[in-house]
Amino acid sequence: QSVLTQPPSVSGAPGQRVTISCTGSSSNIGAGYDVNWYQHLAGTAPKLLIFGNKNRPSGVPDRFSGSKSGTSASLAISGLQAEDEADYYCQSYDSGLRGVFGTGTKVTVL
Amino acid sequence: EMQLLESGGGLVQSGGSLRLSCAVSGFTFSNYAMSWVRQAPGKGLEWVSTISGSGGSTYYADSVKGRFTISRDKSTNMLHLQMNSLRAEDTAVYYCAKDLRIVATIILDLWGQGTLVTVSS
Repeated sequence: QSVLTQPPSVSGAPGQRVTISCTGSSSNIGAGYDVNWYQHLAGTAPKLLIFGNKNRPSGVPDRFSGSKSGTSASLAISGLQAEDEADYYCQSYDSGLRGVFGTGTKVTVL
Repeated sequence: EMQLLESGGGLVQSGGSLRLSCAVSGFTFSNYAMSWVRQAPGKGLEWVSTISGSGGSTYYADSVKGRFTISRDKSTNMLHLQMNSLRAEDTAVYYCAKDLRIVATIILDLWGQGTLVTVSS
């Protein structure tokens, strides 16, 4: 059972900006642990989008941005494109270097 | 090109064992920690286990601790996951993933396509 809560779905029209929240607790995000974000299209390998709260790996468009505050984090996608339709997961750590993923959010491009 | 290719999945009875493998190519295997992440049917991603680049440190989710063992073989560039006492709830696609660094950070910047494990009760 995930300890990081995300909205099940978000949607937006092409070109719009959408945000995905990731709510944790004092034992994970609130304890100061970083948050990473992944994009997952069904049947494919997940892809790292954001690491260390706000850093983009090489090749990830700057339309994707991350932030963290307190016990929560957010992923923003600006200039929404059809190819962004996928599942998105936040990920952080619990005590003792145990990875924890969020519940996942399905992004739909209208 | 960096690649990860999982193998070893299949159908196994509850209480049985299975060994997953992940063949690594395109990068220096011992320079990076490695992880296993799974996704049960219709569910989200779940972190399973991580091993440091040296193999000296291992980490497990509570749900698999004592039943699963992660290991790596630098002579063959292979990552393994030995799964014992399997339960129906272990049914999932298992992904092998590369860490960003040699120490375990669980920042997973390269993933395989996954291998399906089905545990029948």
